[in-house]
Amino acid sequence: GAGVSQSPSNKVTEKGKDVELRCDPISGHTALYWYRQSLGQGLEFLIYFQGNSAPDKSGLPSDRFSAERTGGSVSTLTIQRTQQEDSAVYLCASSLSGGAIYEQFFGPGTRLTVL
Amino acid sequence: QQQVKQSPQSLIVQKGGISIINCAYENTAFDYFPWYQQFPGKGPALLIAIRPDVSEKKEGRFTISFNKSAKQFSLHIMDSQPGDSATYFCAASKKGGSEKLVFGKGTKLTVNP
Repeated sequence: GAGVSQSPSNKVTEKGKDVELRCDPISGHTALYWYRQSLGQGLEFLIYFQGNSAPDKSGLPSDRFSAERTGGSVSTLTIQRTQQEDSAVYLCASSLSGGAIYEQFFGPGTRLTVL
Repeated sequence: QQQVKQSPQSLIVQKGGISIINCAYENTAFDYFPWYQQFPGKGPALLIAIRPDVSEKKEGRFTISFNKSAKQFSLHIMDSQPGDSATYFCAASKKGGSEKLVFGKGTKLTVNP
């Protein structure tokens, strides 16, 4: 079946602009995660959605970052007033349910470049 | 504060050799330790995982060794192949809440033919 898909695959924007990144999880997966991968760094947790529960936003680096998940499926990560330090690969992952016991399946990521 | 420290940053191994990547953690509440493999342009994929109730887990050529008292765990790749060339990430999570993964910074493995 189809895996996690993300769009766009690449995004180049100017400093100060807003961007939206999209994630389509695997059908039937109730848990969805966003991570950020900066050059030479590991993956940094951003936000977690599980069903109808309140999202865990503890990893969002600033109030310029927000995310939503509509209908328990597609998720959008929005970065307002982008800064150069926001340049990174943004990865989305989904799992059958919440909890580490369930394997997280990652999408290919969106490479964001802020000029 | 980096909760999971991974070493080395890069590793070059000859075909047929053993690749060893090490990780150390600080939070004793961690109870799940996966390794992820990432090829260029792709998202990470789960390779193998272990819980602290066992000291070793083997799947094919890949083995995790776990030392709870030292708060360390390692990935061993036996008979390394050029196709194993990728970036490897260790991670950890703890029970409760989102059980989000905390990742090490990664090791770029190159296996020369």
